[in-house]
Order: sequence, then structure tokens, then C-alpha cells
Amino acid sequence: GDSVTQMEGPVTLSEEAFLTINCTYTATGYPSLFWYVQYPGEGLQLLLKATKADDKGSNKGFEATYRKETTSFHLEKGSVQVSDSAVYFCALRRTGANNLFFGTGTRLTVIP
Amino acid sequence: GAVVSQHPSWVICKSGTSVKIECRSLDFQATTMFWYRQFPKQSLMLMATSNEGSKATYEQGVEKDKFLINHASLTLSTLTVTSAHPEDSSFYICSASEIAGQGGTDTQYFGPGTRLTVL
Repeated sequence: GDSVTQMEGPVTLSEEAFLTINCTYTATGYPSLFWYVQYPGEGLQLLLKATKADDKGSNKGFEATYRKETTSFHLEKGSVQVSDSAVYFCALRRTGANNLFFGTGTRLTVIP
Repeated sequence: GAVVSQHPSWVICKSGTSVKIECRSLDFQATTMFWYRQFPKQSLMLMATSNEGSKATYEQGVEKDKFLINHASLTLSTLTVTSAHPEDSSFYICSASEIAGQGGTDTQYFGPGTRLTVL
């Protein structure tokens, strides 16, 4: 069945450090891939998405590239800020479906 | 942007009682709402999908008689946990999809979640 595996946290980085959170998936066909972010006390928010192979999603300095050959969608940011502290979820949606399959989430803490 | 609210944000109840959780889309109409459950350090697991005016579709292993879902309008869905037991204690999250074709997308917007503790 469909599944998402993401890097376990927590991850603690100093401000301006480089961030990578790994995400790999298992799915039939060509799913859409997403990164959601959950700030403390808030609901999940869509951070970025990619709908086909080699697409790059980007938002707020974060990027992720849909790699079909490695079934991966790793999240990266060149220079993190304290305000990026949150839980990040990788997710996929099968073509033609409405529901999302989520990874376990990775808690990021950025210290000044 | 699109906002989804949930009420209550947390609830504590005695074993055997029923608890209702509301999910509202505040500034858009949602054809479809989803209910997820999240255990500590685990992923969000889809429980059911509800479409306005029709019966919810439950995922395998989710008891539909225990988790009653009503989607009476395009802005409100409710989840009722009936005869709650301690093992039902969890974080329940709803999401809503905008109607396609009205300038909306198929993006899901999530509520902040409701933490249920059953004593």
C-alpha cells in the first residue's frame, strides 16, 4: 500500500544552518507529494507541493524536488531561522484520490 | 487564507460518555471534510472522509458506529465519539477541501486539532 517514511526527529539546528529532512515514499502510479508544516498551537499548513517527477516545490525559502528514480521528496532550506521551528510532515496523495498519507512528522527546533 | 476551526481544542471525559467535536470551514465552502487521528509520535491516520449531505466513508478498521460523522452543511462536520474509552484518547484533526470550480483548489486545509482524554 501507499506509505511515507520520513526522517525521525527531533532535529535541532543553530540559526542560519542548512536543513535537510528526508522523505521517501511508496506508491503505485504517480502520486502528488506535499510538505506540511505545523507551528505550535496551529493546524497543518501546506508548505509546498509537487505533482509530477522532477517538479520542484518551493515556498518561504524551503525547497523539495520530486525524484521518481529514488522515490524521494527531501525538504531543504539553506538558512533556517528561529521562526522555522515547527513540526514538518511529508505526505502523498494518489492520483484521483482525495485523501493524504502522512509521514510521522519531524520536529525542528532552531536555536539562536 | 482558508481557515478551519475545531471545537473544542481539548476535552476530558469519563469512560462511557460521548463526545462531539466540531469542524468548521470559516471562509470557504467545503465539499469534502476529512477526519484524522494522531497518536503520540505517529503519523496522522485517516479515519473517514465525509461529503456534505451523504454518509461518510470510513477507512478499514475504523468503527463507524463508534465514530459517528455528520456533514450537514458545506461548512460544518461533526465527529462524535460514542461510549468513549481510554483507548480512544488521541489527537483528532479535521481537514476540509475547497470546492473545485469556484476558484478553489483541491488543497486540504487543516484544523488545529482536538485532544481527547478519556479517564
